[in-house]
Amino acid sequence: NAGVTQTPKFRILKIGQSMTLQCTQDMNHNYMYWYRQDPGMGLKLIYYSVGAGITDKGEVPNGYNVSRSTTEDFPLRLELAAPSQTSVYFCASSTGQGAFFGPGTRLTVT
Amino acid sequence: AQSVTQPDIHITVSEGASLELRCNYSYGATPYLFWYVQSPGQGLQLLLKYFSGDTLVQGIKGFEAEFKRSQSSFNLRKPSVHWSDAAEYFCAVALRGGDDKIIFGKGTRLHILP
Repeated sequence: NAGVTQTPKFRILKIGQSMTLQCTQDMNHNYMYWYRQDPGMGLKLIYYSVGAGITDKGEVPNGYNVSRSTTEDFPLRLELAAPSQTSVYFCASSTGQGAFFGPGTRLTVT
Repeated sequence: AQSVTQPDIHITVSEGASLELRCNYSYGATPYLFWYVQSPGQGLQLLLKYFSGDTLVQGIKGFEAEFKRSQSSFNLRKPSVHWSDAAEYFCAVALRGGDDKIIFGKGTRLHILP
C-alpha cells in the first residue's frame, strides 16, 4: 500500500492564481481531511469528509474548496490564491482509529 | 469553546533523561485522544491513542500516555529519551460518535541534549 499520497510536493503560485492539491489514499478509509500547518500554530483543519459525496468545513475553510467523488480521492482547490495561503498542506485519512498523513505540499504564494 | 492545549512550546531534556509532555483538552465529553510525532520536513506519525479502557496506553517507540479524566489531561511520557526522539509532538482529539474531525494542539518541540 502506498498509504496517503499528495501531489505536488512544492508549488509557487502568484497572487490570484488557482490550483488543485491532489490527495489519494489506497486504504479504503472513509474519513479524509485537509490541514494546513503554519509555524507555531499546529495543524488547522480546512475541510474534511466522512465518505464519498460528503464534505464539511473545518476550522479555516475560507479560500478553499473540496470535493469527494470517490473514496480514494480528496482534492483541495485554491481559488484566487493569497499570500495568507502560504503554508504546508497535509492530507490525511482515517477509519476513525487515528489518521494516516501524507508527506505534505509546501505552497508559497507571492 | 472546544480546545486542545499544549502548554509547553519547547522542551529540552538530556539524552537518557525521562520526558513528560503535557496535553489538556476542553470538551463536553471525553473525546478520542491521540499523540502524533513529526520529524523535521516530514508528515505526522501516530504514536498512540486512547479510546476507552485502561487509562495508561502504550505506543510505538517506547512512548506511553496516561488519560486522567479529572484533569482533562492526556500527558505523553517516555522513561529514557534518545537523540532520535528530537521532533515536534502534537496532541489531538476527535469527538466521540460525531463526525470524527481531528483537532490538534499547537505542538511541543522536543530538543535533546547529548
